[in-house]
Amino acid sequence: AQSVTQLGSHVSVSEGALVLLRCNYSSSVPPYLFWYVQYPNQGLQLLLKYTSAATLVKGINGFEAEFKKSETSFHLTKPSAHMSDAAEYFCAVRVGVGNQFYFGTGTSLTVIP
Amino acid sequence: EAGVTQFPSHSVIEKGQTVTLRCDPISGHDNLYWYRRVMGKEIKFLLHFVKESKQDESGMPNNRFLAERTGGTYSTLKVQPAELEDSGVYFCASSQDLAGGRGETQYFGPGTRLLVL
Repeated sequence: AQSVTQLGSHVSVSEGALVLLRCNYSSSVPPYLFWYVQYPNQGLQLLLKYTSAATLVKGINGFEAEFKKSETSFHLTKPSAHMSDAAEYFCAVRVGVGNQFYFGTGTSLTVIP
Repeated sequence: EAGVTQFPSHSVIEKGQTVTLRCDPISGHDNLYWYRRVMGKEIKFLLHFVKESKQDESGMPNNRFLAERTGGTYSTLKVQPAELEDSGVYFCASSQDLAGGRGETQYFGPGTRLLVL
């Protein structure tokens, strides 16, 4: 069975501080992992994805994530938070071609000036 | 290039009524997906079209939900009759083809917020 757990439904950071959003997955096969972001009144936008190549994946807007098989994790980080990063972030796993995504419950990020 | 669009953006209906949601995928995208997010829960898969054919409808909750994709272009999702537990945000996503394998990117619309009273 496949599942994704995002620890912390709400995360607050100060502007300029490190952003760390946690994602752990469960998968019966080697997973492909995705992070999506949703800004208010917009659709989900792909931030980055892991597709079994490099374990450290760089995405848009300065975000990156590292796939750690031993920890079954794919945490999202950004060295310095901007106000524009305030949004909801979703981690997802996919296990088969054409198959569905399994999403986590999302983490709402607030950036404090 | 226009993104995935969904209509309406919001819908408030009473229990027992019918609602039809529409999704227009990115032009040329063969794959169209419907997802739903109930408040506070994860986004859950409903079904997947390849062109006009239903590839996977394992996530459809029950037979009150009917999805169609006429001519392989836009798709509609009808809920009839609506129940209170159908409230949530309904997302549509599309992708070009499956040649990219599991790494295929799905492009999401802004969602339709459905409230059943």
